[in-house]
Amino acid sequence: EAEVAQSPRYKITEKSQAVAFWCDPISGHATLYWYRQILGQGPELLVQFQDESVVDDSQLPKDRFSAERLKGVDSTLKIQPAELGDSAMYLCASSRRLAGGPDTQYFGPGTRLTVL
Amino acid sequence: AQRVTQPEKLLSVFKGAPVELKCNYSYSGSPELFWYVQYSRQRLQLLLRHISRESIKGFTADLNKGETSFHLKKPFAQEEDSAMYYCALKGSGSEKLVFGKGTKLTVNP
Repeated sequence: EAEVAQSPRYKITEKSQAVAFWCDPISGHATLYWYRQILGQGPELLVQFQDESVVDDSQLPKDRFSAERLKGVDSTLKIQPAELGDSAMYLCASSRRLAGGPDTQYFGPGTRLTVL
Repeated sequence: AQRVTQPEKLLSVFKGAPVELKCNYSYSGSPELFWYVQYSRQRLQLLLRHISRESIKGFTADLNKGETSFHLKKPFAQEEDSAMYYCALKGSGSEKLVFGKGTKLTVNP
Protein backbone atom coordinates (compact mmCIF):
# COMPACT_ATOMS: atom_id res chain seq x y z
CA GLU A 1 0.00 0.00 0.00
CA ALA A 2 1.42 3.38 -1.00
CA GLU A 3 2.29 5.76 1.83
CA VAL A 4 3.49 9.30 2.28
CA ALA A 5 7.22 9.34 3.02
CA GLN A 6 9.04 11.95 5.11
CA SER A 7 12.65 12.46 6.07
CA PRO A 8 14.37 12.84 8.35
CA ARG A 9 12.24 11.32 11.09
CA TYR A 10 14.07 13.26 13.78
CA LYS A 11 16.11 16.44 13.64
CA ILE A 12 17.95 18.22 16.43
CA THR A 13 19.39 21.62 15.67
CA GLU A 14 20.56 24.72 17.44
CA LYS A 15 18.68 27.96 17.22
CA SER A 16 19.63 30.19 14.32
CA GLN A 17 20.57 27.19 12.19
CA ALA A 18 18.78 26.23 8.99
CA VAL A 19 16.75 23.01 8.73
CA ALA A 20 14.95 21.32 5.86
CA PHE A 21 12.35 18.58 5.73
CA TRP A 22 11.41 16.48 2.75
CA CYS A 23 8.10 14.88 1.80
CA ASP A 24 7.21 12.45 -0.97
CA PRO A 25 3.44 12.16 -1.40
CA ILE A 26 1.52 9.16 -2.62
CA SER A 27 1.95 8.82 -6.38
CA GLY A 28 -0.77 10.62 -8.27
CA HIS A 29 -1.80 12.86 -5.39
CA ALA A 30 -1.95 16.41 -6.68
CA THR A 31 -2.57 18.08 -3.34
CA LEU A 32 0.16 18.24 -0.69
CA TYR A 33 -0.08 19.72 2.79
CA TRP A 34 2.45 20.64 5.47
CA TYR A 35 1.17 20.74 9.04
CA ARG A 36 2.88 21.67 12.30
CA GLN A 37 1.85 19.90 15.48
CA ILE A 38 3.03 21.38 18.75
CA LEU A 39 3.03 19.00 21.72
CA GLY A 40 -0.46 18.72 23.18
CA GLN A 41 -2.12 20.37 20.20
CA GLY A 42 -3.75 19.21 16.99
CA PRO A 43 -2.04 19.63 13.61
CA GLU A 44 -2.16 23.14 12.16
CA LEU A 45 -1.90 23.73 8.43
CA LEU A 46 1.17 25.67 7.32
CA VAL A 47 0.92 25.41 3.55
CA GLN A 48 -1.12 23.64 0.89
CA PHE A 49 0.01 22.92 -2.66
CA GLN A 50 -2.07 22.00 -5.66
CA ASP A 51 0.47 20.49 -8.04
CA GLU A 52 3.36 23.00 -7.89
CA SER A 53 1.25 26.00 -6.90
CA VAL A 54 0.66 27.29 -3.39
CA VAL A 55 -3.06 27.33 -2.60
CA ASP A 56 -2.92 28.42 1.04
CA ASP A 57 0.08 29.66 3.00
CA SER A 58 -1.78 32.04 5.28
CA GLN A 59 -0.41 30.38 8.44
CA LEU A 60 3.17 30.04 7.21
CA PRO A 61 5.60 32.37 9.05
CA LYS A 62 7.09 33.67 5.85
CA ASP A 63 9.94 35.55 7.49
CA ARG A 64 11.63 32.27 8.33
CA PHE A 65 9.68 29.44 6.68
CA SER A 66 9.62 28.54 3.02
CA ALA A 67 8.12 25.64 1.10
CA GLU A 68 8.44 24.50 -2.45
CA ARG A 69 7.14 21.77 -4.70
CA LEU A 70 9.01 22.52 -7.88
CA LYS A 71 7.87 19.63 -10.09
CA GLY A 72 4.55 19.10 -8.42
CA VAL A 73 5.67 15.87 -6.82
CA ASP A 74 7.89 15.93 -3.72
CA SER A 75 8.20 18.94 -1.48
CA THR A 76 10.68 20.62 0.87
CA LEU A 77 9.88 22.74 3.91
CA LYS A 78 12.70 24.94 5.18
CA ILE A 79 13.19 26.97 8.33
CA GLN A 80 15.92 29.59 8.48
CA PRO A 81 16.80 30.56 11.12
CA ALA A 82 15.25 28.05 13.51
CA GLU A 83 13.91 29.36 16.82
CA LEU A 84 13.20 27.54 20.09
CA GLY A 85 9.46 27.83 19.46
CA ASP A 86 9.76 25.87 16.22
CA SER A 87 10.22 22.62 18.16
CA ALA A 88 7.31 20.48 16.99
CA MET A 89 6.25 17.59 14.79
CA TYR A 90 6.06 18.53 11.12
CA LEU A 91 3.55 16.42 9.23
CA CYS A 92 3.11 16.06 5.51
CA ALA A 93 -0.13 14.83 3.95
CA SER A 94 -1.37 14.27 0.43
CA SER A 95 -4.74 13.77 -1.19
CA ARG A 96 -6.38 13.08 -4.52
CA ARG A 97 -9.99 13.89 -5.03
CA LEU A 98 -11.72 11.17 -7.02
CA ALA A 99 -14.34 12.35 -9.51
CA GLY A 100 -17.50 13.11 -7.57
CA GLY A 101 -16.11 11.50 -4.47
CA PRO A 102 -14.80 12.59 -1.09
CA ASP A 103 -11.24 13.66 -0.53
CA THR A 104 -9.06 11.90 2.04
CA GLN A 105 -5.79 13.24 3.39
CA TYR A 106 -3.12 10.60 3.99
CA PHE A 107 -0.45 11.53 6.50
CA GLY A 108 3.23 10.75 6.66
CA PRO A 109 5.04 9.67 9.84
CA GLY A 110 6.25 13.19 10.54
CA THR A 111 9.58 14.83 11.33
CA ARG A 112 10.13 15.66 14.98
CA LEU A 113 12.19 18.84 15.26
CA THR A 114 13.96 19.84 18.45
CA VAL A 115 15.60 23.26 18.56
CA LEU A 116 18.17 23.72 21.33
CA ALA B 1 -13.60 31.66 12.15
CA GLN B 2 -13.35 27.90 12.13
CA ARG B 3 -12.74 26.25 15.46
CA VAL B 4 -12.91 22.70 16.80
CA THR B 5 -13.13 22.02 20.51
CA GLN B 6 -12.48 18.70 22.17
CA PRO B 7 -13.18 19.35 25.84
CA GLU B 8 -11.57 16.19 27.19
CA LYS B 9 -7.82 15.88 26.98
CA LEU B 10 -7.90 12.42 28.57
CA LEU B 11 -10.62 9.79 28.72
CA SER B 12 -10.33 6.47 30.46
CA VAL B 13 -12.89 3.64 30.32
CA PHE B 14 -12.99 -0.07 31.01
CA LYS B 15 -13.19 -2.70 28.29
CA GLY B 16 -16.78 -3.34 27.30
CA ALA B 17 -18.02 0.02 28.55
CA PRO B 18 -19.57 2.59 26.20
CA VAL B 19 -17.36 5.47 25.15
CA GLU B 20 -18.15 8.93 23.82
CA LEU B 21 -15.53 11.41 22.69
CA LYS B 22 -16.91 14.91 22.46
CA CYS B 23 -16.36 17.36 19.63
CA ASN B 24 -17.92 20.77 19.18
CA TYR B 25 -17.27 23.10 16.30
CA SER B 26 -17.70 26.70 15.30
CA TYR B 27 -18.37 27.46 11.64
CA SER B 28 -20.92 29.68 9.96
CA GLY B 29 -21.51 27.54 6.88
CA SER B 30 -21.96 23.82 6.17
CA PRO B 31 -18.84 21.99 7.26
CA GLU B 32 -17.51 18.54 6.67
CA LEU B 33 -16.55 16.84 9.93
CA PHE B 34 -14.02 14.07 10.41
CA TRP B 35 -12.52 11.92 13.10
CA TYR B 36 -8.84 11.04 12.77
CA VAL B 37 -7.07 8.50 14.98
CA GLN B 38 -3.43 7.95 15.85
CA TYR B 39 -2.51 4.62 17.42
CA SER B 40 0.75 4.31 19.31
CA ARG B 41 3.75 4.59 16.97
CA GLN B 42 1.51 4.87 13.91
CA ARG B 43 0.68 7.74 11.64
CA LEU B 44 -2.46 9.83 11.78
CA GLN B 45 -5.26 8.22 9.79
CA LEU B 46 -8.86 8.90 8.91
CA LEU B 47 -11.36 7.01 11.06
CA LEU B 48 -14.62 8.31 9.65
CA ARG B 49 -16.32 11.30 8.04
CA HIS B 50 -19.87 12.49 8.62
CA ILE B 51 -20.93 12.46 4.97
CA SER B 52 -20.28 8.72 4.70
CA ARG B 53 -22.60 7.91 7.59
CA GLU B 54 -20.63 4.76 8.18
CA SER B 55 -19.54 2.73 11.16
CA ILE B 56 -15.81 2.03 11.32
CA LYS B 57 -14.40 -0.39 13.92
CA GLY B 58 -17.72 -0.06 15.73
CA PHE B 59 -17.46 3.73 15.97
CA THR B 60 -20.18 6.07 14.77
CA ALA B 61 -20.54 9.83 14.80
CA ASP B 62 -23.56 11.96 14.02
CA LEU B 63 -23.40 15.56 12.96
CA ASN B 64 -25.77 17.66 15.07
CA LYS B 65 -25.99 21.05 13.40
CA GLY B 66 -28.27 22.44 16.11
CA GLU B 67 -25.73 21.72 18.82
CA THR B 68 -22.75 22.10 16.45
CA SER B 69 -21.42 18.78 17.68
CA PHE B 70 -19.90 15.66 16.14
CA HIS B 71 -19.40 13.28 19.04
CA LEU B 72 -17.73 9.90 18.45
CA LYS B 73 -19.40 6.90 20.05
CA LYS B 74 -18.83 3.21 20.51
CA PRO B 75 -21.14 0.99 22.56
CA PHE B 76 -18.46 -1.45 23.76
CA ALA B 77 -14.89 -0.21 23.96
CA GLN B 78 -11.98 -2.56 23.23
CA GLU B 79 -8.40 -2.32 24.46
CA GLU B 80 -7.20 -1.82 20.88
CA ASP B 81 -9.26 1.38 20.72
CA SER B 82 -6.69 3.06 22.97
CA ALA B 83 -5.30 5.90 20.89
CA MET B 84 -5.28 9.63 20.31
CA TYR B 85 -8.45 10.89 18.59
CA TYR B 86 -8.71 14.17 16.70
CA CYS B 87 -11.86 15.81 15.47
CA ALA B 88 -11.39 17.93 12.34
CA LEU B 89 -13.46 20.34 10.26
CA LYS B 90 -13.29 21.29 6.61
CA GLY B 91 -15.14 24.40 5.49
CA SER B 92 -17.15 24.50 2.29
CA GLY B 93 -15.04 25.24 -0.75
CA SER B 94 -11.83 24.51 1.12
CA GLU B 95 -9.52 21.53 1.46
CA LYS B 96 -8.03 22.85 4.69
CA LEU B 97 -8.54 20.72 7.80
CA VAL B 98 -8.87 22.45 11.16
CA PHE B 99 -8.12 20.06 13.99
CA GLY B 100 -9.08 19.98 17.64
CA LYS B 101 -6.45 19.44 20.31
CA GLY B 102 -7.24 15.75 20.57
CA THR B 103 -8.48 13.33 23.22
CA LYS B 104 -6.34 10.49 24.48
CA LEU B 105 -8.53 7.44 25.00
CA THR B 106 -7.33 4.67 27.26
CA VAL B 107 -9.33 1.46 27.47
CA ASN B 108 -8.40 -0.51 30.55
CA PRO B 109 -8.69 -4.31 30.76
